[in-house]
Order: sequence, then structure tokens, then C-alpha cells
Amino acid sequence: AQSVTQPDIHITVSEGASLELRCNYSYGATPYLFWYVQSPGQGLQLLLKYFSGDTLVQGIKGFEAEFKRSQSSSNLRKPSVHWSDAAEYFCAVGGTASKLTFGTGTRLQVTL
Amino acid sequence: DAGITQSPRHKVTETGTPVTLRCHQTENHRYMYWYRQDPGHGLRLIHYSYGVKDTDKGEVSDGYSVSRSKTEDFLLTLESATSSQTSVYFCAISEGRNTGELFFGEGSRLTVL
Repeated sequence: AQSVTQPDIHITVSEGASLELRCNYSYGATPYLFWYVQSPGQGLQLLLKYFSGDTLVQGIKGFEAEFKRSQSSSNLRKPSVHWSDAAEYFCAVGGTASKLTFGTGTRLQVTL
Repeated sequence: DAGITQSPRHKVTETGTPVTLRCHQTENHRYMYWYRQDPGHGLRLIHYSYGVKDTDKGEVSDGYSVSRSKTEDFLLTLESATSSQTSVYFCAISEGRNTGELFFGEGSRLTVL
């Protein structure tokens, strides 16, 4: 069975500092990988996705992610966090859109 | 923003009553999904639809039914609501099965007393 683990439930970062969020997954085949962001009271929005090719992927809002298939992991990064980045971040894996498994999320708090 | 509207956005109901949540899209996407979000569980798929009158079960389908009579509307019904169904419910759509990119509605918060 596929599973996704986001080991950090809650992270606090100062505005302007760098950010790195972790995701580990278990999947029987080669999955599609996604990072989503959920602002308070909102639905999820896709930050970036990875199917194949270059393992460093640029997303929206200045985020990038590195995908390490050999380690079944992905790190979401941003070099300088803004207060508006405070949100919950979800990693998801799957073979198709109808079979995505989401992690439990990492809540990011940004201090000024 | 993708045109996805969920209604109602908030509902409080009592155990044993039926509840229907509606998802309406203006994107003409083929695939529609219902998820529930609970603390410590992330998002879990309840049911999804791959076309009018074509639906399938997700990971947590027990106690829920769905219907899709039109491309734009996907209904989620709790025939007899229980307290364990207190949750935030999200509708999502995708253009294709393999694109993987989901567009989410803003959610419907359901409280079952």
C-alpha cells in the first residue's frame, strides 16, 4: 500500500529565513509527486508537480522541490520565506489523480 | 482560480439526519472528487467520478454515497449522519485522470452533533 510521511507536523521560521520541508513516501511503482499548499480557510493549491526528468522542479510562489526517487523522498524549499507563506503544506503521491495519497501536512508558522 | 463552488460552506446537523453537500464546477472537467480532511489524517478520498453517472469508491467511502447527473454537479450524501463524519469536506476536479493536478473548492465544514 502506498503511504506518505511528513515528519514535521509544525515548523516555525523567521521571515526572510530559508525553509525546507520533508516528505517520505512508499509506493510500489514510479509515482507522480506533488506539493500542495493550503492557506487558512481555503482549499489546496498545487505548488509543483514531478513526473519525470530533472529532479529539481520550480513551482509557483518561489518554491522549488527536489525529488530523490532512490530515497523515496522529496524536500520542498524556499530561500527566503515571507509572512504570507504561513500555511499548511501537503505532499502527495500517486499513479493517477484518482489514486493520490496525501501526507498529514506540515503547518508553517512565520514569525516577523 | 478554477470555478468550483461548494454548498453549503457550513452546516450543523444532528446524528441520524441526512445531509447532502453539493459541488458545482464551471470548468467542464471530466473528473470530480470528494475528500474529507481531518487533523492527523490529511486528505482522504471518499468517492470520485470519471463522468456523468460514472463513480467509484475511494479510501473512506463507507457511510457516503454520490451522484453525478450533470458534468458540472457532484453531490455527496450522508444518508444518516454520525458524529464520526464531522469533518471538512473538499471537492476537487481534474481535467484528466493522469494529469494529477487537482483543483480544490474552498471546503464545507460539517458538524454532526
